[in-house]
Amino acid sequence: QQQVKQSPQSLIVQKGGISIINCAYENTAFDYFPWYQQFPGKGPALLIAIRPDVSEKKEGRFTISFNKSAKQFSLHIMDSQPGDSATYFCAASISRGGTASKLTFGTGTRLQVTL
Amino acid sequence: DAGITQSPRHKVTETGTPVTLRCHQTENHRYMYWYRQDPGHGLRLIHYSYGVKDTDKGEVSDGYSVSRSKTEDFLLTLESATSSQTSVYFCAISDSGKPSTNEKLFFGSGTQLSVL
Repeated sequence: QQQVKQSPQSLIVQKGGISIINCAYENTAFDYFPWYQQFPGKGPALLIAIRPDVSEKKEGRFTISFNKSAKQFSLHIMDSQPGDSATYFCAASISRGGTASKLTFGTGTRLQVTL
Repeated sequence: DAGITQSPRHKVTETGTPVTLRCHQTENHRYMYWYRQDPGHGLRLIHYSYGVKDTDKGEVSDGYSVSRSKTEDFLLTLESATSSQTSVYFCAISDSGKPSTNEKLFFGSGTQLSVL
């Protein structure tokens, strides 16, 4: 059972354009939603994260939009650059301080930014 | 990659043989994780550890065992490798202490395992 559904599977965007990746979750107990960025041959790296008490979080060119009622969240990359070409994973977990964090990942989106 | 070393980086083995992957960290983080990455499945948690000799199962633990005898080392063992265990394996770590630090996972560079 895929608890976090991610789309699209792949995305091609021109330089300077906006990249949008969407995720939907099923478990209403999830309360932590990070995005990870992965370059070929490397492990994923935390990019940005949001909690359901806010509807949007922005860090530089990266923005997470969160819709609690729809159980959806999305990553927007403004002014996309060739260096943003990577695979992006959304994830979700239930926050429990003092314990290990068990993230459930989406299936990933391969982003290619063309010149 | 945040003081995380995975070894080996690549391994080819035959069906039925035992395989052990190693994760070594220099960050003194409390929590350690093993994930596998497969096309169409993203990353799936195999096992995790919340301290020395304290481990628990993730969502895809069948066929895998782990051990953590020291804070810095977390071993993943495939007792009898099968072709379905061909995958890229990632170790991750996270810390305790300040609120929410346990949620920030740092990943190693991965081990590509092929079971023929």
